[in-house]
Amino acid sequence: DVKVTQSSRYLVKRTGEKVFLECVQDMDHENMFWYRQDPGLGLRLIYFSYDVKMKEKGDIPEGYSVSREKKERFSLILESASTNQTSMYLCASSASGTGNTIYFGEGSWLTVV
Amino acid sequence: RKEVEQDPGPFNVPEGATVAFNCTYSNSASQSFFWYRQDCRKEPKLLMSVYSSGNEDGRFTAQLNRASQYISLLIRDSKLSDSATYLCVVNADDMRFGAGTRLTVKP
Repeated sequence: DVKVTQSSRYLVKRTGEKVFLECVQDMDHENMFWYRQDPGLGLRLIYFSYDVKMKEKGDIPEGYSVSREKKERFSLILESASTNQTSMYLCASSASGTGNTIYFGEGSWLTVV
Repeated sequence: RKEVEQDPGPFNVPEGATVAFNCTYSNSASQSFFWYRQDCRKEPKLLMSVYSSGNEDGRFTAQLNRASQYISLLIRDSKLSDSATYLCVVNADDMRFGAGTRLTVKP
């Protein structure tokens, strides 16, 4: 069974803290994605990666960075958390090529106070 | 204009009703299309892909109209367990998600 695991489900962080969100997939997928989801705005793409050590900006990369040192792991980093980054963060993966199913992790609920 | 637009709803229907959602997309180069289902505070999960000729999976029917650039999802004989948010997904250079349509099926 396919599995995308987000290790932190619920986090509360203070403004200015550095935050790491970790994601691991066990499907040997080339593509990995980080989205955030907010009410009324749907899923917005933050960053994605098509290969190890490769990253591309999505629609809303400001305030975020990513790291992909191994194929199965894609990390999202908030260098200095702000209250407007309070959201649900979803990691996803898919096989390379067009039209392949995207599989999501269970989500990380981040509150920045 | 958003690349993928959906009526946010909510749609409130009685059990057994037939309900349809539409989703429009702006990129005419889009190649693949999907419907995902998302339960409250859960991750989206694939409901079905949408093929050019239309396709059916039990009570669910998906249609694609390339000329008018929309996809649709029809749910027949609604069940309480169908209550969820339905996201349409359109793939061109990357995957684009609609904001979702909320469905509540009531007894």
